[in-house]
Amino acid sequence: GAVVSQHPSRVICKSGTSVKIECRSLDFQATTMFWYRQFPKQSLMLMATSNEGSKATYEQGVEKDKFLINHASLTLSTLTVTSAHPEDSSFYICSAILTSGFPRPGEQYFGPGTRLTVT
Amino acid sequence: SQQGEEDPQALSIQEGENATMNCSYKTSINNLQWYRQNSGRGLVHLILIRSNEREKHSGRLRVTLDTSKKSSSLLITASRAADTASYFCATEPSGSARQLTFGSGTQLTVLP
Repeated sequence: GAVVSQHPSRVICKSGTSVKIECRSLDFQATTMFWYRQFPKQSLMLMATSNEGSKATYEQGVEKDKFLINHASLTLSTLTVTSAHPEDSSFYICSAILTSGFPRPGEQYFGPGTRLTVT
Repeated sequence: SQQGEEDPQALSIQEGENATMNCSYKTSINNLQWYRQNSGRGLVHLILIRSNEREKHSGRLRVTLDTSKKSSSLLITASRAADTASYFCATEPSGSARQLTFGSGTQLTVLP
């Protein structure tokens, strides 16, 4: 139980286009999901906190108009990178908090990540 | 922002040896967690230690937490080649909405 999926796993897009990444909690409900970005050989940096039914909270330095987050249901959050540029190329990882039930409510469960390459 | 520092940044050992990684952080925490990440892959949760705990074991893993020094260590005993990965500590700061702040990571290489 407590599986988080991301789609797509890899995406290549041209500069100036927009890309949507989905994060789904497959077998549990998650009122809160987090989006992280990881550059090569670096650690994960929190980008934003996504709460179901409300606006996302962005970390300092993260452009909310560029990284659009929608958390429309208890099992799905989406991150849209708008007008992507090569410097947006990164590994994007989401996580979801199990709000109740098994196995350990309150812990974060991470998705497998999405590799974005902007050419 | 990145709160924790980990050392060493890279560690290379022979199979069968023990590996110790250290993590330091700056603020008070609810808990500290250790994760493993294979190259280009997602995170695997290893172990969580709460702020009122000092030591925790899980299989070949042993984690210690010293809140007075704001530091933690992860010991992997009898290492295997399959343990080769990056290891990250992550802290849940006190009063946070379950947000995690990750350390800089240690790249462990276990040579067969």
